[in-house]
Amino acid sequence: GIQVEQSPPDLILQEGANSTLRCNFSDSVNNLQWFHQNPWGQLINLFYIPSGTKQNGRLSATTVATERYSLLYISSSQTTDSGVYFCASGFGNEKLTFGTGTRLTIIP
Amino acid sequence: AAGVIQSPRHLIKEKRETATLKCYPIPRHDTVYWYQQGPGQDPQFLISFYEKMQSDKGSIPDRFSAQQFSDYHSELNMSSLELGDSALYFCASSSGVGNTIYFGEGSWLTVV
Repeated sequence: GIQVEQSPPDLILQEGANSTLRCNFSDSVNNLQWFHQNPWGQLINLFYIPSGTKQNGRLSATTVATERYSLLYISSSQTTDSGVYFCASGFGNEKLTFGTGTRLTIIP
Repeated sequence: AAGVIQSPRHLIKEKRETATLKCYPIPRHDTVYWYQQGPGQDPQFLISFYEKMQSDKGSIPDRFSAQQFSDYHSELNMSSLELGDSALYFCASSSGVGNTIYFGEGSWLTVV
């Protein structure tokens, strides 16, 4: 099955800093999604991005499908950005395979 | 916009009891997925249904079963509960190939 690796596993930043989270996947996929899991456990969809670049406010994501990686950029971090960020990939409407996540802590 | 609805949100059961979780997918979504997320873990795929037929199966214990009904809602039945079944259970739905998979808010199961 698809293997998904995320880095770094943990990231502690000062409020206002920028960050880049990386996701590597092992096979050709046509579904790649980024999620933010908040402290209450909710999985919030950030991006559906099997290829290309998308932006939503302070967040943006880029997936280079041919090189099997995706990047999530967070600019001007706020304390509400804290939580675990998951990358998940799959093929067709088959199951998503999740990475082990990046735990982001933003310090005021 | 309508989201994936899960119930109950919180459930406490004793060992060896049975629990049933319900999921109402987004209207017109034809695929439902169930995931289990243990403490400090990433979500793990359990089972999925496409048009009310089981389409894929992951590491779901034999004590667990699931089905999707004619109105597209799905239920996950867990029997002979063990302490290790304590987890956050997610249901998700999608409308087919090349589309976003949307997750519900999850059901917290605690087995004591």
